[in-house]
Amino acid sequence: EIVLTQSPGTLSLSPGERATLSCRASQSVSSSYLAWYQQKPGQAPRLLIYAASSRATGIPDRFSGSGSGTDFTLTISRLEPEDFAVYYCQQYGSSPPWTFGQGTKVEIK
Amino acid sequence: QVQLVQSGAEVKKPGASVKVSCKASGYTFSSHGISWVRQAPGQGLEWMGWISDYNGNTDYAQKLQGRVTMTTDTSTNTAYMELRSLRSDDTAVYYCARNTRMGGFDFWGQGTLVTVSS
Repeated sequence: EIVLTQSPGTLSLSPGERATLSCRASQSVSSSYLAWYQQKPGQAPRLLIYAASSRATGIPDRFSGSGSGTDFTLTISRLEPEDFAVYYCQQYGSSPPWTFGQGTKVEIK
Repeated sequence: QVQLVQSGAEVKKPGASVKVSCKASGYTFSSHGISWVRQAPGQGLEWMGWISDYNGNTDYAQKLQGRVTMTTDTSTNTAYMELRSLRSDDTAVYYCARNTRMGGFDFWGQGTLVTVSS
């Protein structure tokens, strides 16, 4: 089973700042099958990025994903008030289990 | 529009079973697999398993093997997740989510809170 480790656990930033979130896998993620989700309190997760760097439908271009192999990054170029939330990475390789990272909380400084 | 609507909250005693439903609409149900994900209070997301749209096969998280069963009813476009021998640490919000060919889960149900308490 691939274990995903996200860092930092919490990121304290101000609106307008740049956020950089990391996701490291215990073994290589095949074909960059990595996704990022945003979750706000009391809501279901929302798909932001798939295939490591492709934005899902309707996702603003301030969200971008990069990386390959075992190291992946989600970048939010300029934080908007609605971006303060918890972010999870997930690997969905050719066969299950499809594991999630433990999450990074982006909070208002 | 694509929607996944789940059944309501449940309260169960330890040792009991729960069956959560997830009714899909707005797309061809048989063209996408369905995954189930749970989230314990204040915790992260845990993938539980999925049922394939291609052949109806299932894959379950190893820790749930033997206690969980996922099924679909294509006549009603509904997916089901049954969890047996419930324990207090099964208390969580349970989500269904649509698998996509492009990768990831693009639509999610609203979540079903299952509380296990004596």
